[in-house]
Amino acid sequence: GQQLNQSPQSMFIQEGEDVSMNCTSSSIFNTWLWYKQEPGEGPVLLIALYKAGELTSNGRLTAQFGITRKDSFLNISASIPSDVGIYFCAGVMDSNYQLIWGAGTKLIIKP
Amino acid sequence: EPEVTQTPSHQVTQMGQEVILRCVPISNHLYFYWYRQILGQKVEFLVSFYNNEISEKSEIFDDQFSVERPDGSNFTLKIRSTKLEDSAMYFCASSGYRFRLTYEQYFGPGTRLTVT
Repeated sequence: GQQLNQSPQSMFIQEGEDVSMNCTSSSIFNTWLWYKQEPGEGPVLLIALYKAGELTSNGRLTAQFGITRKDSFLNISASIPSDVGIYFCAGVMDSNYQLIWGAGTKLIIKP
Repeated sequence: EPEVTQTPSHQVTQMGQEVILRCVPISNHLYFYWYRQILGQKVEFLVSFYNNEISEKSEIFDDQFSVERPDGSNFTLKIRSTKLEDSAMYFCASSGYRFRLTYEQYFGPGTRLTVT
């Protein structure tokens, strides 16, 4: 089946640092979604991207839809303790509405 | 702000028993989904539901699973005869009817199912 490769698997950063993560695939997607999940809770939608090259921000978060339509990137600027959690990318292909999920990037902020 | 709700938050059942997980999607949404997540792993799609019928289902969604929208607000997932490997977090999600919003799925807080 279709796969999304999400990296890095985990990140240990200092408060205040910027964070970058990405998802890549060999398949073309027409929509990219980024979610955040905290322990014991459901994924929360952060950003939705619909057009190749699109750059969208949500506060300190910025996501981009790759020009090839096979990748997407999420950046978090000036990280704060409440940014801790697992960030998932999810893609939608042309053929159906099913979300294809990445394996997640676990963000840990060092004290 | 409208949100998806799920009950119960935690369900413990014995192997072979039937369970029903309940969800109330966001009220103006027309597409409904069930996902599961085994601890520490990625979110896995189970089924999508639109216009009172299943629109897509994954290989995980075998004959032991069924979904129903018994009234105008609830959306349920039934597992007929639970197995140990059904232990997971089950998430309900819903999305809207306008073209763009169809892809933006909003998730509930989940039901943790433990099969003993």
